[in-house]
Amino acid sequence: GAVVSQHPSRVICKSGTSVKIECRSLDFQATTMFWYRQFPKKSLMLMATSNEGSKATYEQGVEKDKFLINHASLTLSTLTVTSAHPEDSSFYICSARDGGSDNSPLHFGNGTRLTVT
Amino acid sequence: GESVGLHLPTLSVQEGDNSIINCAYSNSASDYFIWYKQESGKGPQFIIDIRSNMDKRQGQRVTVLLNKTVKHLSLQIAATQPGDSAVYFCAENAGGTSYGKLTFGQGTILTVHP
Repeated sequence: GAVVSQHPSRVICKSGTSVKIECRSLDFQATTMFWYRQFPKKSLMLMATSNEGSKATYEQGVEKDKFLINHASLTLSTLTVTSAHPEDSSFYICSARDGGSDNSPLHFGNGTRLTVT
Repeated sequence: GESVGLHLPTLSVQEGDNSIINCAYSNSASDYFIWYKQESGKGPQFIIDIRSNMDKRQGQRVTVLLNKTVKHLSLQIAATQPGDSAVYFCAENAGGTSYGKLTFGQGTILTVHP
């Protein structure tokens, strides 16, 4: 069964509004989670690394004020797309690391399809 | 059938054939590689992984080969089934403190015809 849960699975919002996406580790604690973005028929691109109790680390070219990440607990990271525009429409996927070692399994959520109208 | 990920992103095979999906990775410092399967509307599903101290690893119906000299990774699927139809991604990880930060290849669409 799924060990990383994303919510919602689909969301449609209007331009200018903000949308929050949740990523939860269901049966393990994740000090580190990762957020990816995927456009149709394209690969996954890492957006940011979410660290529990500290600020997220963003990849080059990703606006931190646009994509707010909060890792408030060991089982929950949230991605908020602020002032969404149609070009933000995408498939957002999180992954979580089950443990701190290099042998720790990585688990992916089933993604959130965001459509901005 | 074979695909070269960067130039032939689609692969069509008949049920029962063996499939080979190729991937070229970019970072010579990468020490951990993973193959994922992604079905439409879903997140990546782990298939098999391999560390840089190995050149071959086998799973159930799948084999991953790693050639560090030319930075090449391949996924072999034996007796391909219609349920194997999906997009397949290779991913590399540079390891160390960046463990879990994956760089994904462009993906190969595998279509299995009954």
